[in-house]
Amino acid sequence: DGGITQSPKYLFRKEGQNVTLSCEQNLNHDAMYWYRQDPGQGLRLIYYSQIVNDFQKGDIAEGYSVSREKKESFPLTVTSAQKNPTAFYLCASSIKYLQETQYFGPGTRLLVL
Amino acid sequence: AQKVTQAQTEISVVEKEDVTLDCVYETRDTTYYLFWYKQPPSGELVFLIRRNSFDEQNEISGRYSWNFQKSTSSFNFTITASQVVDSAVYFCALSGHSGGGADGLTFGKGTHLIIQP
Repeated sequence: DGGITQSPKYLFRKEGQNVTLSCEQNLNHDAMYWYRQDPGQGLRLIYYSQIVNDFQKGDIAEGYSVSREKKESFPLTVTSAQKNPTAFYLCASSIKYLQETQYFGPGTRLLVL
Repeated sequence: AQKVTQAQTEISVVEKEDVTLDCVYETRDTTYYLFWYKQPPSGELVFLIRRNSFDEQNEISGRYSWNFQKSTSSFNFTITASQVVDSAVYFCALSGHSGGGADGLTFGKGTHLIIQP
């Protein structure tokens, strides 16, 4: 079964702590993306990667970091510099170019203790 | 800068009624793609349809239909004979350069559709 998995489903962060959200896909897609969703809002782009070992900042990259060492994996780290991290985080992937359809994972809800 | 506007924050209808969700977009690109996604309470975004800017044909898929009008920059979504399972938040999105200049999807704020039994 092909798809995108995200873990954990819920994540709790203490102040000053870095946390990492996992995103894995077995669709053989080149491009991967991270979005943030706040209540009552649309999704906003955090980072995207068009190919392995390459990634670009999105609209709200401050306080976040990513890596793309494998085609299947695109983890997102929420650093202590992100002052308002409470949100729903969605990972997506697409076959190749950005004009292609993006398919989404089930999301991770991050809460601050 | 790109923008997607979904003016209807919430719509509530009784089951079996038809309902139309509006989407208006702004872009300077001549080639672009429009999407609709469904977000049920579980949170995962489910892809519904993708349309390119050169194809203005309306599309029908079962109870779902889409009306793309380039002249009014609109891409509206109609559900015919709505069912309780259609209850969700629906997002319209536009590909290309986002509001901040990065490449990705620009999303509207979504329309929360409530289908009452």
